[in-house]
Amino acid sequence: DGGITQSPKYLFRKEGQNVTLSCEQNLNHDAMYWYRQDPGQGLRLIYYSQIVNDFQKGDIAEGYSVSREKKESFPLTVTSAQKNPTAFYLCASRSGSQPQHFGDGTRLSIL
Amino acid sequence: GQQVMQIPQYQHVQEGEDFTTYCNSSTTLSNIQWYKQRPGGHPVFLIQLVKSGEVKKQKRLTFQFGEAKKNSSLHITATQTTDVGTYFCAGRDAGNNRKLIWGLGTSLAVNP
Repeated sequence: DGGITQSPKYLFRKEGQNVTLSCEQNLNHDAMYWYRQDPGQGLRLIYYSQIVNDFQKGDIAEGYSVSREKKESFPLTVTSAQKNPTAFYLCASRSGSQPQHFGDGTRLSIL
Repeated sequence: GQQVMQIPQYQHVQEGEDFTTYCNSSTTLSNIQWYKQRPGGHPVFLIQLVKSGEVKKQKRLTFQFGEAKKNSSLHITATQTTDVGTYFCAGRDAGNNRKLIWGLGTSLAVNP
């Protein structure tokens, strides 16, 4: 099956800890995106990547970092600088002018 | 900055009643997409509108794109409990096609 896989589904972070959320796609999509969703809120763009080895900051990039070393993978690191990391994180990908396909998301909480 | 305003934020209906959510953009859009997110789930693509004045239907759902390509609506006829969820519009700015501008969503609750 083609799709987007996010892992883990649930993640807990300790104070001062960096954590990395995984996003893998086998859809051969060029573009990948990371969004943050807070309860009852819309989607806010953290980072996006149009091609391998290139990525741009979205609207709320502070406290986050990404890499795009492979077309299939776009991991997101939530650093200790992100003081309010509790949220639902969604990864998406798309090809050309097609709509975005989303993974099932990762719920991050602070211990 | 670029914004897509979506109203209402919440809507509570009785099963069988109609429902409409509206999106208005501060800038002209090249296209607009609609997504549905069930509670606890991820957004799922419903439809994309591209042409000025375009109207598309999916069973009980009717989607419209305004003549000026700045507004859009989603209308559900005779709601069912399976329609429960949050409906998002997302517009692609005509001048910057790389990012979607998301509305904040309309959460629909349906009483059986």
